[in-house]
Amino acid sequence: GAVVSQHPSRVICKSGTSVKIECRSLDFQATTMFWYRQFPKQSLMLMATSNEGSKATYEQGVEKDKFLINHASLTLSTLTVTSAHPEDSSFYICSPRQPADYGYTFGSGTRLTVV
Amino acid sequence: DAKTTQPPSMDCAEGRAANLPCNHSTISGNEYVYWYRQIHSQGPQYIIHGLKNNETNEMASLIITEDRKSSTLILPHATLRDTAVYYCIVRVVNTDKLIFGTGTRLQVFP
Repeated sequence: GAVVSQHPSRVICKSGTSVKIECRSLDFQATTMFWYRQFPKQSLMLMATSNEGSKATYEQGVEKDKFLINHASLTLSTLTVTSAHPEDSSFYICSPRQPADYGYTFGSGTRLTVV
Repeated sequence: DAKTTQPPSMDCAEGRAANLPCNHSTISGNEYVYWYRQIHSQGPQYIIHGLKNNETNEMASLIITEDRKSSTLILPHATLRDTAVYYCIVRVVNTDKLIFGTGTRLQVFP
Protein backbone atom coordinates (compact mmCIF):
# COMPACT_ATOMS: atom_id res chain seq x y z
CA GLY A 1 0.00 0.00 0.00
CA ALA A 2 0.87 3.68 -0.17
CA VAL A 3 3.18 5.36 2.30
CA VAL A 4 1.25 8.07 4.13
CA SER A 5 2.65 10.81 6.32
CA GLN A 6 0.33 12.74 8.61
CA HIS A 7 1.35 15.81 10.56
CA PRO A 8 1.17 16.89 13.33
CA SER A 9 0.77 13.77 15.41
CA ARG A 10 -0.50 15.73 18.35
CA VAL A 11 -1.76 19.28 18.79
CA ILE A 12 -3.28 21.26 21.62
CA CYS A 13 -5.04 24.48 20.75
CA LYS A 14 -7.19 27.07 22.43
CA SER A 15 -10.89 27.19 21.85
CA GLY A 16 -11.76 29.43 18.92
CA THR A 17 -8.54 28.94 17.02
CA SER A 18 -8.02 26.94 13.83
CA VAL A 19 -5.83 23.92 13.33
CA LYS A 20 -4.50 22.50 10.07
CA ILE A 21 -3.72 18.83 9.64
CA GLU A 22 -1.62 17.68 6.70
CA CYS A 23 -1.73 14.31 5.01
CA ARG A 24 0.90 13.44 2.43
CA SER A 25 0.96 10.47 0.12
CA LEU A 26 4.70 9.91 -0.31
CA ASP A 27 4.87 7.29 -3.04
CA PHE A 28 1.41 7.31 -4.54
CA GLN A 29 -0.55 9.89 -6.46
CA ALA A 30 -3.69 10.25 -4.43
CA THR A 31 -6.53 11.74 -6.43
CA THR A 32 -8.82 11.05 -3.50
CA MET A 33 -8.22 11.21 0.23
CA PHE A 34 -10.57 9.94 2.92
CA TRP A 35 -10.69 11.73 6.28
CA TYR A 36 -11.87 9.98 9.41
CA ARG A 37 -12.54 11.06 12.97
CA GLN A 38 -12.40 8.82 16.01
CA PHE A 39 -13.69 9.70 19.47
CA PRO A 40 -12.39 7.84 22.54
CA LYS A 41 -13.50 4.22 22.72
CA GLN A 42 -15.37 4.53 19.44
CA SER A 43 -14.79 3.36 15.90
CA LEU A 44 -13.52 5.45 13.01
CA MET A 45 -16.17 7.55 11.36
CA LEU A 46 -15.75 8.75 7.80
CA MET A 47 -16.05 12.53 7.72
CA ALA A 48 -15.31 13.54 4.17
CA THR A 49 -13.71 12.69 0.88
CA SER A 50 -11.29 15.13 -0.69
CA ASN A 51 -10.72 15.13 -4.43
CA GLU A 52 -7.71 16.68 -6.10
CA GLY A 53 -8.71 19.83 -7.93
CA SER A 54 -12.34 19.81 -6.88
CA LYS A 55 -14.56 20.31 -3.87
CA ALA A 56 -14.63 17.81 -1.08
CA THR A 57 -17.73 15.80 -0.32
CA TYR A 58 -18.91 15.50 3.25
CA GLU A 59 -20.76 12.75 5.05
CA GLN A 60 -24.11 13.49 6.53
CA GLY A 61 -23.92 15.54 9.69
CA VAL A 62 -20.41 16.87 9.09
CA GLU A 63 -20.21 20.66 8.81
CA LYS A 64 -18.31 21.61 5.69
CA ASP A 65 -17.68 25.16 6.90
CA LYS A 66 -16.12 23.90 10.08
CA PHE A 67 -13.93 21.21 8.55
CA LEU A 68 -12.25 22.79 5.56
CA ILE A 69 -10.58 20.37 3.22
CA ASN A 70 -8.08 21.27 0.54
CA HIS A 71 -6.59 18.83 -1.94
CA ALA A 72 -4.42 21.01 -4.10
CA SER A 73 -2.00 18.36 -5.34
CA LEU A 74 -1.79 14.62 -5.85
CA THR A 75 0.41 14.26 -2.79
CA LEU A 76 -1.14 16.60 -0.25
CA SER A 77 -4.54 16.93 1.35
CA THR A 78 -5.22 19.17 4.34
CA LEU A 79 -7.99 19.31 6.90
CA THR A 80 -8.49 22.55 8.79
CA VAL A 81 -10.64 22.55 11.89
CA THR A 82 -11.92 26.11 12.11
CA SER A 83 -12.99 27.84 15.31
CA ALA A 84 -12.24 24.70 17.25
CA HIS A 85 -14.21 23.86 20.35
CA PRO A 86 -13.62 21.22 23.03
CA GLU A 87 -16.14 18.91 21.37
CA ASP A 88 -13.87 18.83 18.30
CA SER A 89 -11.21 17.11 20.36
CA SER A 90 -10.68 13.82 18.61
CA PHE A 91 -8.29 11.60 16.67
CA TYR A 92 -8.22 12.53 12.98
CA ILE A 93 -6.91 10.04 10.41
CA CYS A 94 -6.44 10.20 6.67
CA SER A 95 -6.22 7.49 4.02
CA PRO A 96 -5.66 7.79 0.26
CA ARG A 97 -7.98 5.95 -2.07
CA GLN A 98 -6.22 3.07 -3.81
CA PRO A 99 -7.16 0.51 -6.45
CA ALA A 100 -9.68 -2.14 -5.46
CA ASP A 101 -7.16 -4.93 -5.08
CA TYR A 102 -4.87 -3.00 -2.72
CA GLY A 103 -4.97 -2.68 1.01
CA TYR A 104 -5.57 0.88 2.09
CA THR A 105 -2.91 2.61 4.11
CA PHE A 106 -3.82 5.02 6.88
CA GLY A 107 -1.95 7.93 8.32
CA SER A 108 -0.67 7.65 11.85
CA GLY A 109 -3.35 10.05 13.02
CA THR A 110 -3.51 13.46 14.68
CA ARG A 111 -4.65 13.78 18.26
CA LEU A 112 -6.40 17.15 18.58
CA THR A 113 -7.12 18.53 22.02
CA VAL A 114 -9.03 21.80 22.28
CA VAL A 115 -8.80 23.54 25.63
CA ASP B 1 -23.79 0.01 1.94
CA ALA B 2 -22.92 -3.44 3.17
CA LYS B 3 -22.49 -3.58 6.91
CA THR B 4 -20.54 -5.91 9.12
CA THR B 5 -21.23 -7.47 12.49
CA GLN B 6 -18.50 -8.58 14.86
CA PRO B 7 -18.42 -9.74 18.47
CA PRO B 8 -17.36 -6.85 20.69
CA SER B 9 -14.55 -8.71 22.41
CA MET B 10 -12.59 -11.95 22.43
CA ASP B 11 -9.77 -13.47 24.44
CA CYS B 12 -7.00 -15.70 23.21
CA ALA B 13 -4.08 -17.41 24.90
CA GLU B 14 -0.64 -16.51 23.66
CA GLY B 15 0.61 -19.02 21.09
CA ARG B 16 -2.86 -20.22 20.21
CA ALA B 17 -4.79 -19.40 17.06
CA ALA B 18 -7.15 -16.46 17.24
CA ASN B 19 -10.25 -16.84 15.08
CA LEU B 20 -12.19 -13.63 14.62
CA PRO B 21 -15.60 -13.95 12.96
CA CYS B 22 -17.45 -11.38 10.89
CA ASN B 23 -20.89 -11.36 9.33
CA HIS B 24 -21.54 -9.38 6.16
CA SER B 25 -24.80 -10.83 4.95
CA THR B 26 -25.67 -7.91 2.64
CA ILE B 27 -22.38 -7.91 0.77
CA SER B 28 -22.55 -7.47 -3.00
CA GLY B 29 -20.86 -9.77 -5.47
CA ASN B 30 -18.02 -7.39 -6.28
CA GLU B 31 -17.34 -5.98 -2.83
CA TYR B 32 -14.09 -6.88 -1.11
CA VAL B 33 -13.76 -7.78 2.56
CA TYR B 34 -10.93 -6.05 4.37
CA TRP B 35 -9.45 -6.63 7.80
CA TYR B 36 -7.61 -3.99 9.75
CA ARG B 37 -6.45 -3.68 13.31
CA GLN B 38 -5.85 -0.68 15.48
CA ILE B 39 -3.60 -0.45 18.44
CA HIS B 40 -4.40 2.34 20.84
CA SER B 41 -3.74 5.84 19.47
CA GLN B 42 -2.39 4.63 16.14
CA GLY B 43 -3.81 4.58 12.65
CA PRO B 44 -5.40 1.33 11.46
CA GLN B 45 -3.00 -1.28 10.15
CA TYR B 46 -3.90 -3.31 7.08
CA ILE B 47 -3.96 -7.07 7.63
CA ILE B 48 -5.54 -8.81 4.67
CA HIS B 49 -8.37 -8.62 2.17
CA GLY B 50 -10.25 -10.91 -0.18
CA LEU B 51 -13.12 -11.19 -2.62
CA LYS B 52 -14.26 -14.79 -2.58
CA ASN B 53 -11.22 -17.02 -2.30
CA ASN B 54 -9.42 -17.73 0.93
CA GLU B 55 -6.28 -15.67 1.35
CA THR B 56 -3.12 -16.01 3.39
CA ASN B 57 -0.21 -13.69 3.98
CA GLU B 58 2.57 -13.36 6.53
CA MET B 59 0.21 -11.91 9.11
CA ALA B 60 -2.98 -13.90 8.86
CA SER B 61 -5.40 -16.04 6.90
CA LEU B 62 -8.82 -15.00 5.68
CA ILE B 63 -11.53 -17.58 5.24
CA ILE B 64 -14.61 -16.46 3.30
CA THR B 65 -17.68 -18.66 3.19
CA GLU B 66 -18.93 -19.83 -0.18
CA ASP B 67 -22.01 -17.58 0.01
CA ARG B 68 -19.73 -14.70 1.05
CA LYS B 69 -22.01 -13.75 3.90
CA SER B 70 -19.36 -14.23 6.53
CA SER B 71 -15.64 -14.50 6.99
CA THR B 72 -13.08 -15.40 9.63
CA LEU B 73 -9.71 -13.86 10.25
CA ILE B 74 -7.19 -16.30 11.64
CA LEU B 75 -4.05 -15.26 13.47
CA PRO B 76 -2.25 -18.63 13.60
CA HIS B 77 -0.05 -18.01 16.63
CA ALA B 78 -1.25 -15.03 18.62
CA THR B 79 1.26 -12.96 20.55
CA LEU B 80 0.76 -10.27 23.16
CA ARG B 81 1.46 -7.68 20.46
CA ASP B 82 -1.64 -8.84 18.61
CA THR B 83 -3.81 -7.30 21.32
CA ALA B 84 -5.82 -4.68 19.40
CA VAL B 85 -9.21 -3.82 17.98
CA TYR B 86 -9.85 -5.74 14.77
CA TYR B 87 -12.15 -4.32 12.13
CA CYS B 88 -13.86 -6.26 9.38
CA ILE B 89 -14.87 -3.89 6.59
CA VAL B 90 -16.63 -4.19 3.30
CA ARG B 91 -15.37 -1.77 0.70
CA VAL B 92 -18.20 0.17 -0.90
CA VAL B 93 -18.42 -0.28 -4.66
CA ASN B 94 -17.99 2.84 -6.81
CA THR B 95 -16.98 5.14 -3.96
CA ASP B 96 -14.27 2.81 -2.58
CA LYS B 97 -15.08 4.05 0.90
CA LEU B 98 -14.20 1.93 3.91
CA ILE B 99 -17.01 2.16 6.45
CA PHE B 100 -15.85 0.94 9.83
CA GLY B 101 -18.07 -1.03 12.19
CA THR B 102 -17.52 -1.37 15.90
CA GLY B 103 -14.81 -4.03 15.63
CA THR B 104 -13.67 -6.81 17.97
CA ARG B 105 -11.36 -6.06 20.84
CA LEU B 106 -8.95 -8.99 20.97
CA GLN B 107 -7.07 -9.51 24.21
CA VAL B 108 -4.17 -11.94 24.07
CA PHE B 109 -3.13 -13.15 27.49
CA PRO B 110 0.04 -14.93 28.62
